[in-house]
Amino acid sequence: DVVMTQSPLSLPVTLGQPASISCRSSQSLVYSDGNTYLNWFQQRPGQSPRRLIYEVSNRDSGVPDRFSGSGSGTDFTLKISRVEADDVGVYYCMQGTHSITFGQGTRLEIK
Amino acid sequence: QVHLVESGGGVVQPGRSLRLSCAASGFTFSNYAMHWVRQAPGKGLEWVAFISYDGGNKSYADSVKGRFTISRDNSKNTLYLQMNSLRAEDTAVYYCAKDRSYDYGGNSPDYWGQGTLVTVSS
Repeated sequence: DVVMTQSPLSLPVTLGQPASISCRSSQSLVYSDGNTYLNWFQQRPGQSPRRLIYEVSNRDSGVPDRFSGSGSGTDFTLKISRVEADDVGVYYCMQGTHSITFGQGTRLEIK
Repeated sequence: QVHLVESGGGVVQPGRSLRLSCAASGFTFSNYAMHWVRQAPGKGLEWVAFISYDGGNKSYADSVKGRFTISRDNSKNTLYLQMNSLRAEDTAVYYCAKDRSYDYGGNSPDYWGQGTLVTVSS
């Protein structure tokens, strides 16, 4: 099974400052069709998960451009350019190339 | 817009069974693969099961294989999860999620329901 490892697991950030979450997979996430099925989800307190980013770097509809995804192969990053209060929650990476597995989650809080 | 509503959760004794349902609307249900994903209290997300658009392809997490069965009724726009031989460690919120694609391979759950809580306890 593909293991997804996120860091850090806890991320205190000052409002208006940038934030970055790393996600590493135990094997390459490039699928046979040439695409890389690495996604990022946000789960605000008390809510269902919401997909933010698909295929490494594509933002879902309605997602602010403060959020960006990058990476390739086995190393991926979610960046928030300027953290807002609304961004508090847990962020998960998820791979859909080899079945489906999630990272452990990164809890973002305001400092 | 896409709307997914889970139901069927509740409190059940270890070893008993429960069936979850997920009513879908706002998209052509029969064109898309679907997932069940669960979240134990205070824990992260765990993928549980997948079913292709026509039910022909199914896949399960090792933790539920042989005990859980995913199915769908495209005439009713409804997804199901039959859970047998339930254990305390199956206690979780269960979410249904629509996939971006119609079959297995290169998958990404793009829309999620609000979840239904299953508690396994004597």
